Amino acid sequence: DTAVSQTPKYLVTQMGNDKSIKCEQNLGHDTMYWYKQDSKKFLKIMFSYNNKELIINETVPNRFSPKSPDKAHLNLHINSLELGDSAVYFCASSRTGNELFFGEGSRLTVL
Amino acid sequence: GESVGLHLPTLSVQEGDNSIINCAYSNSASDYFIWYKQESGKGPQFIIDIRSNMDKRQGQRVTVLLNKTVKHLSLQIAATQPGDSAVYFCAENPPGTYKYIFGTGTRLKVLA
Repeated sequence: DTAVSQTPKYLVTQMGNDKSIKCEQNLGHDTMYWYKQDSKKFLKIMFSYNNKELIINETVPNRFSPKSPDKAHLNLHINSLELGDSAVYFCASSRTGNELFFGEGSRLTVL
Repeated sequence: GESVGLHLPTLSVQEGDNSIINCAYSNSASDYFIWYKQESGKGPQFIIDIRSNMDKRQGQRVTVLLNKTVKHLSLQIAATQPGDSAVYFCAENPPGTYKYIFGTGTRLKVLA
């Protein structure tokens, strides 16, 4: 019944590794997002896809690569992880012009 | 860069009192605004929204006020309860974009 689900919920890894976070929504929404929340709780948009097309790509290092295999999925792959990548990453979806629905977040800790 | 609100204040209120959380937004053209509640360890949850053709909207125990003249949004929570303790965010959606810009949030602490 979960509307926006993301996995894993927790991820602890070493610097330099590559990791992925997966997101799925069962709401039938056409737009999906990745947001990064830092330790001060600031929510910053990273990417957005509409109908599998990239429509928002904020100033994010190209070590971050989103992939949307279909409208219901948006995954985030991060290469060569750095300490500063430690944060909580939230997936969200929306029907165009309406509110965002968020997942529960994936807490990434880079050691 | 764009921002909504500039700091993360903490608001402490007594249980049963009314709470008012404020937000300054940045883009005068934004036409859709949302308030979110984020509890510890969870994702932000929708509380209430308002479009720019309105200046007030009420929900269950919550009211959102929009003042476009000064680019200000507020969330009023009536009879605040311990379960209202959380971080509250406002978000704005500029017209013709898919982007939702979040403020830095306000932490609400409800004192018993």
